[in-house]
Amino acid sequence: GDSVTQTEGQVTVSESKSLIINCTYSTTSIAYPNLFWYVRYPGEGLQLLLKVITAGQKGSSRGFEATYNKETTSFHLQKASVQESDSAVYYCALGGRQGGRALIFGTGTTVSVSP
Amino acid sequence: GGIITQTPKFLIGQEGQKLTLKCQQNFNHDTMYWYRQDSGKGLRLIYYSITENDLQKGDLSEGYDASREKKSSFSLTVTSAQKNEMAVFLCASSIQGAIEQYFGPGTRLTVL
Repeated sequence: GDSVTQTEGQVTVSESKSLIINCTYSTTSIAYPNLFWYVRYPGEGLQLLLKVITAGQKGSSRGFEATYNKETTSFHLQKASVQESDSAVYYCALGGRQGGRALIFGTGTTVSVSP
Repeated sequence: GGIITQTPKFLIGQEGQKLTLKCQQNFNHDTMYWYRQDSGKGLRLIYYSITENDLQKGDLSEGYDASREKKSSFSLTVTSAQKNEMAVFLCASSIQGAIEQYFGPGTRLTVL
C-alpha cells in the first residue's frame, strides 16, 4: 500500500532557531507521486503550504523549503529561522499523478515555537 | 478565490443516531472529498465524488453514505453513530484532474 511517515509527533523550538520536520513515503501504486506539505494554524482550516511534483526539485513557501528525494523517498520540511507565527500542525501528504484521488497523509507534527 | 463551508461546526449525537454533515464550495470545483481525522492520526478518505451524482468509496466508507446532488455540495451521513468514530470530518475539493485539494474548516463529531 501507500503510506507517509512523520516520526515526530511534537516539536518545540525556540524562535530564530532552525527547524526540520521529517517525512518519508512509501508507495506501491503510484509511479510518480506528487508530494505536499499542508499546515493547520491554530483556529484555521488545513491549507496547502507547498508542493513538488518532480523528483529532485525543491518547493518553497513562507520561508519553508522541502526537496523531493526519490532515492531516500523523503520530503523533509525545513526552515532556517522560525517565528512564533510558525506554531502549527504540519502534515506531509502523497498524491497520485491524476487528480480525483485521495491524498495519503502522515499523522502530523505539532510545532510549538517559544519566544 | 473561493471558500468551503462545512455545517455544522460541532455535531453532537446519540449512539445509533443517523447524522448528516454538509459541505458547500464556491470554487466551482468538479471533485469533492470527505476525510476523517481521528485524534493524533492522519486524514483518511471516506468518500469522494468526481462530478455531480458520482460517488466513489474510500478506505473508510463502511458506516457512511454520501450524496452529491449538485456540483457545489457534498453531504456525508453517518448511518448509525458509534462512540469510536468521534473525530473531525474534513471536506475538500479540487478541479478535476488537478492534484491540489482545498479543505474546509471541519466538523467535529461527538457521540454520547
